[in-house]
Amino acid sequence: SQTIHQWPATLVQPVGSPLSLECTVEGTSNPNLYWYRQAAGRGLQLLFYSVGIGQISSEVPQNLSASRPQDRQFILSSKKLLLSDSGFYLCAWSVGGSNTEAFFGQGTRLTVV
Amino acid sequence: GEDVEQSLFLSVREGDSSVINCTYTDSSSTYLYWYKQEPGAGLQLLTYIFSNMDMKQDQRLTVLLNKKDKHLSLRIADTQTGDSAIYFCAESSTGGSYIPTFGRGTSLIVHP
Repeated sequence: SQTIHQWPATLVQPVGSPLSLECTVEGTSNPNLYWYRQAAGRGLQLLFYSVGIGQISSEVPQNLSASRPQDRQFILSSKKLLLSDSGFYLCAWSVGGSNTEAFFGQGTRLTVV
Repeated sequence: GEDVEQSLFLSVREGDSSVINCTYTDSSSTYLYWYKQEPGAGLQLLTYIFSNMDMKQDQRLTVLLNKKDKHLSLRIADTQTGDSAIYFCAESSTGGSYIPTFGRGTSLIVHP
């Protein structure tokens, strides 16, 4: 069966510090991978998606970046965090090339102080 | 503007029916979904409907789709306190590279 792991679950970081959130998927190959951010009162915002290794599409301009160094690994990064980066970050995957449900990780609560 | 819209809050009494509404703009939407998010957790798929269907029923859940008006609704019968959560409407289409687009989520509050 497929599983998705996302860590850490919670993170408190000072402004200006770097960020690295990791997400891995097991039990499937060549998934579509997604990073979403859920800010209070703003719903679920797609940040990045990837349809293959090294293929990253950005949906919104910001100081975040994403990388996919391996087929089932998706990393969200920042060189210098801003206060506005605080939020709940969700990684998700879906079967590539088809309309199927997205499977979500448990999320990372990031607080930038 | 947003591609998927839904109201932010809904409050119902335990035992009543809840109806959460959603509108979308992409006429090529192929699949429409309802996800549930409990506090501090990720999203889980509740149910989905193909765009060529009008209705889908799954136990206490009924999904209605009006494709002409691009309107989707989720009805929860006999709402329980455990149904309190945020409910997200989402759509995906071939034209959108199958990427699901989510609404802002509706916070359902069930009180005794």
